[in-house]
Amino acid sequence: KAGVTQTPRYLIKTRGQQVTLSCSPISGHRSVSWYQQTPGQGLQFLFEYFSETQRNKGNFPGRFSGRQFSNSRSEMNVSTLELGDSALYLCASSAGGFPGYEQFFGPGTRLTVL
Amino acid sequence: KNQVEQSPQSLIILEGKNCTLQCNYTVSPFSNLRWYKQDTGRGPVSLTIMTFSENTKSNGRYTATLDADTKQSSLHITASQLSDSASYICVVSGSGGSNYKLTFGKGTLLTVNP
Repeated sequence: KAGVTQTPRYLIKTRGQQVTLSCSPISGHRSVSWYQQTPGQGLQFLFEYFSETQRNKGNFPGRFSGRQFSNSRSEMNVSTLELGDSALYLCASSAGGFPGYEQFFGPGTRLTVL
Repeated sequence: KNQVEQSPQSLIILEGKNCTLQCNYTVSPFSNLRWYKQDTGRGPVSLTIMTFSENTKSNGRYTATLDADTKQSSLHITASQLSDSASYICVVSGSGGSNYKLTFGKGTLLTVNP
């Protein structure tokens, strides 16, 4: 089975722009979660989507949004980028709703905001 | 305030030696505790998942313990290998269902030298 894939792997944007990141979960997995990882804050939970519905969300501003499609693929959007949004964005999929199931992470998208 | 503290921040050991990483948490209510291994430039990989009633769980050379009374967990690595060099992250999930709250530790950076 193919693992979790994320595109693009690297991205450079400037302040004020918006960005869309994509995540394809493991085949058959219905849950996709998104995380932000920075050296200072470590891993932080953004949100989880399950069967096209946002199931849970962390403490991030409304500039961070996401969606999930009927094939379970998910996108995350960040609008009006700030320098502090520079981070590794990870997505993870699980067969059922987190935290009851094991999660499998993708390699991440490295976002740099200039 | 929910917190997860990991110690030490970093650790250097020689190949073949054992080591123990610590995770103390103040998350309440408690649902489960997970240990992840994250290699540089890659997404985290789940090592163990422990619920309230579990004291010990092993995954090959990795053994996690949980003391729910003292709110402490440890990850013991036996006969370390160079490939164990990574960051180890402790994540505690509070409550269950779709309203879970995740609290992340900052991780322990383990370096295994030949």
